Amino acid sequence: SQTIHQWPATLVQPVGSPLSLECTVEGTSNPNLYWYRQAAGRGLQLLFYSVGIGQISSEVPQNLSASRPQDRQFILSSKKLLLSDSGFYLCAWSVHLTLEAFFGQGTRLTVV
Amino acid sequence: AQRVTQPEKLLSVFKGAPVELKCNYSYSGSPELFWYVQYSRQRLQLLLRHISRESIKGFTADLNKGETSFHLKKPFAQEEDSAMYYCASMGAQKLVFGQGTRLTINP
Repeated sequence: SQTIHQWPATLVQPVGSPLSLECTVEGTSNPNLYWYRQAAGRGLQLLFYSVGIGQISSEVPQNLSASRPQDRQFILSSKKLLLSDSGFYLCAWSVHLTLEAFFGQGTRLTVV
Repeated sequence: AQRVTQPEKLLSVFKGAPVELKCNYSYSGSPELFWYVQYSRQRLQLLLRHISRESIKGFTADLNKGETSFHLKKPFAQEEDSAMYYCASMGAQKLVFGQGTRLTINP
């Protein structure tokens, strides 16, 4: 069966520090991968998505970047965190055939 | 641009009453449309998708291309339906969600 792992679950980082959130998928190949930020009142904001290794589409200009070094690995990064980067980040993958998306447990990031 | 709009952030109805969660979409092509639900302390999960034309937990959603809407309906609400509901569209592998509607069913 397919599973998605996202870590860490919570993270507290100082302003100006780097960030690396990792997401891996098991049990499938060549998935579409997504990073979202979930905020109260603003729903799920699509940040990045990827349809293949090395292929990244950025939706919102910001202080973050994404990379897909392997087929089932999707990484969200920042060189220098801002206070405004605080939030709840969700990783997801979707199946090409049914288009259903499956979500990770999320990471609560607090920048202090 | 691909966009999904849910005009109601909060919706509260009594148990047994009908429920309708509104969703409008915009996309230059023909997107696939979905409703996702997030129950308390659970992951976001698929509720239903337009292409399956299914009814899940008593919910249905009808695509109206003229009004570009995909409203979610249930004739008789139950307390366990209380959750956060997101409408979503998939176009060219890009999955976009609306702002979400928090549905509360009062006993």
